[in-house]
Amino acid sequence: EIQMTQSPSTLSASVGDRVTITCRASQSISSWLAWYQQKPGKAPKVLIYKASSLQSGVPSRFSGSGSGTEFTLTISSLQPDDFATYYCQQYDSFLFTFGQGTKLEIK
Amino acid sequence: QLQLQESGPGLVKPSETLSLTCTVSGGSISSRSYYWGWIRQPPGKGLEWIGSIYYSGSTYYNPSLKSRVTISVDTSKSQFSLKLSSVTAADTAVYYCASQEYSFAILDYWGQGTPVTVSS
Repeated sequence: EIQMTQSPSTLSASVGDRVTITCRASQSISSWLAWYQQKPGKAPKVLIYKASSLQSGVPSRFSGSGSGTEFTLTISSLQPDDFATYYCQQYDSFLFTFGQGTKLEIK
Repeated sequence: QLQLQESGPGLVKPSETLSLTCTVSGGSISSRSYYWGWIRQPPGKGLEWIGSIYYSGSTYYNPSLKSRVTISVDTSKSQFSLKLSSVTAADTAVYYCASQEYSFAILDYWGQGTPVTVSS
């Protein structure tokens, strides 16, 4: 079973900052990695799929990169609406696994 | 655009079976492009994928829950269902249903989530 490890668990930043969240897989998952944003009391929303493809309707300040076991989500210039919890999700052999989440807080 | 809605009891007693249903609208549950999945989130914690089903009935389960989980589909009602047996307090969570897009392996449309508490 593939494990996903996100870092950091919490990230404090300011509006306008560039931030990066990392996700590491316990074994290679090629590019089968997605990123989600979740706000309190709401269902998650997919931001990035196949490691680097931007989901329709998602602002271009969000970007993803990586392959194999190391992946990153970057927000180029934080907006007030971006303060939320972010999860990575891998897919392997019809099974999904999420990372433990990164809470992005206002500094 | 797909819409999903969970329904079921909000309170389940320990050792009993949790049963939830997800109704799909705005698209066909028999679409070849989608699996249909269940995900849960304990209070204050992260997301856990429970399992998924294809319209044909093929199922895939989280290995850690596999012995207690059954997911079924009723295409005539555009519904799929979750049963989780022998529940304990650790199964208390918000349960989400979602569409699991086949080509890109993402959960792209989600229900609003339904809270389930396991307590006597």
